[in-house]
Amino acid sequence: QKEVEQNSGPLSVPEGAIASLNCTYSDRVSQSFFWYRQYSGKSPELIMSIYSNGDKEDGRFTAQLNKASQYVSLLIRDSQPSDSATYLCAVNMNQAGTALIFGKGTTLSVSS
Amino acid sequence: SAVISQKPSRDICQRGTSLTIQCQVDSQVTMMFWYRQQPGQSLTLIATANQGSEATYESGFVIDKFPISRPNLTFSTLTVSNMSPEDSSIYLCSVSFTGTGGLGYTFGSGTRLTVV
Repeated sequence: QKEVEQNSGPLSVPEGAIASLNCTYSDRVSQSFFWYRQYSGKSPELIMSIYSNGDKEDGRFTAQLNKASQYVSLLIRDSQPSDSATYLCAVNMNQAGTALIFGKGTTLSVSS
Repeated sequence: SAVISQKPSRDICQRGTSLTIQCQVDSQVTMMFWYRQQPGQSLTLIATANQGSEATYESGFVIDKFPISRPNLTFSTLTVSNMSPEDSSIYLCSVSFTGTGGLGYTFGSGTRLTVV
């Protein structure tokens, strides 16, 4: 059974700090990894995707992937109160467009 | 990326009735996915809908309860049948696409269903 694990949180950080969100997955053949942000009552929105080992940066966000450890993380630098949301880690098995499997999500709270 | 129009955005339904949720995509897509998000929970895949074939359901979901239609490459419906309060959830459709940044997934705005 394919599983995606996340700490549910809540993760609380002060404004301007770095927030670190972690995710592990069980299926070694997983190929594509995604981080979504979901505000209460809204649908998920894509923040980052990563496919290769290493780091991928986009503005204040950095995704890190380690396939040997089956681990993917999201760092948010200079956290803002508007970053307060639930962050969902999602994985799929290949790049042919099969469905995403989601973790339970981590709730982030950024205090001003 | 594809843009999805999902409706209705919300509904309150009586137990024992059925609700059909529609998703319209602004481009042709091979696969569409239907998810359920129960209160305070993450997204759980209900089924994958391919045009021209029966949907593939995940464990715990059956066609009689959640019939899906996929008449063409831009449209799909999910029906929640014989509803009970336990079906109160947000239902989301999703499609995959390949863009300049690689593989991605877009979600509809969701249907918030309350069964009373």
